[in-house]
Amino acid sequence: NAGVTQTPKFQVLKTGQSMTLQCAQDMNHNSMYWYRQDPGMGLRLIYYSASEGTTDKGEVPNGYNVSRLNKREFSLRLESAAPSQTSVYFCASSEWRGELWPQHFGDGTRLSIL
Amino acid sequence: AQKITQTQPGMFVQEKEAVTLDCTYDTSDQSYGLFWYKQPSSGEMIFLIYQGSYDEQNATEGRYSLNFQKARKSANLVISASQLGDSAMYFCAMREGDAGGTSYGKLTFGQGTILTVHP
Repeated sequence: NAGVTQTPKFQVLKTGQSMTLQCAQDMNHNSMYWYRQDPGMGLRLIYYSASEGTTDKGEVPNGYNVSRLNKREFSLRLESAAPSQTSVYFCASSEWRGELWPQHFGDGTRLSIL
Repeated sequence: AQKITQTQPGMFVQEKEAVTLDCTYDTSDQSYGLFWYKQPSSGEMIFLIYQGSYDEQNATEGRYSLNFQKARKSANLVISASQLGDSAMYFCAMREGDAGGTSYGKLTFGQGTILTVHP
């Protein structure tokens, strides 16, 4: 019963390096999301994918790209990492169940950029 | 302007007592949803309770209840009979727009409140 799986769990990068964060869900959900969590800021939406084949910007998309590889997988790429992107990144998935749209979160990826 | 405001960075409560965590929101949509999530020190996000904007009754889930005051745009979480395991960060979040339309379940989160339960 995996739910939402994120890899890696921890990563340290140097400024300017690139990296892809992977996310996969096994609940057959149509919608997937990437959030970042900074101290004192709560979670902020970076990008989301309403359904397979579509992606849209969220609140803080600058410096990131995403790919909805298939219905299960939604990856987040940092092309040229910057110290300001040091954060905890959460992937989530959801499906319409009336109003609730229950969101299932992964365990997060702690990313440090030196 | 902040869409979700949690004004209490930290709260303390004695075990077995009740505690209220504040949340105010700002939206011009008529249809929206309000959520509370718990984040323990281990980091995972745990869904606690949901209130729809058209729900006339306050939501309840076990020891959790949501004090929804629509005119004041507040959605406070009440935890009754606090337990040591309730110590965590708590986030209020909002989904704006029609649930079946283009909201696609996107959430806006507040800054969070750290709750500490003392024995």
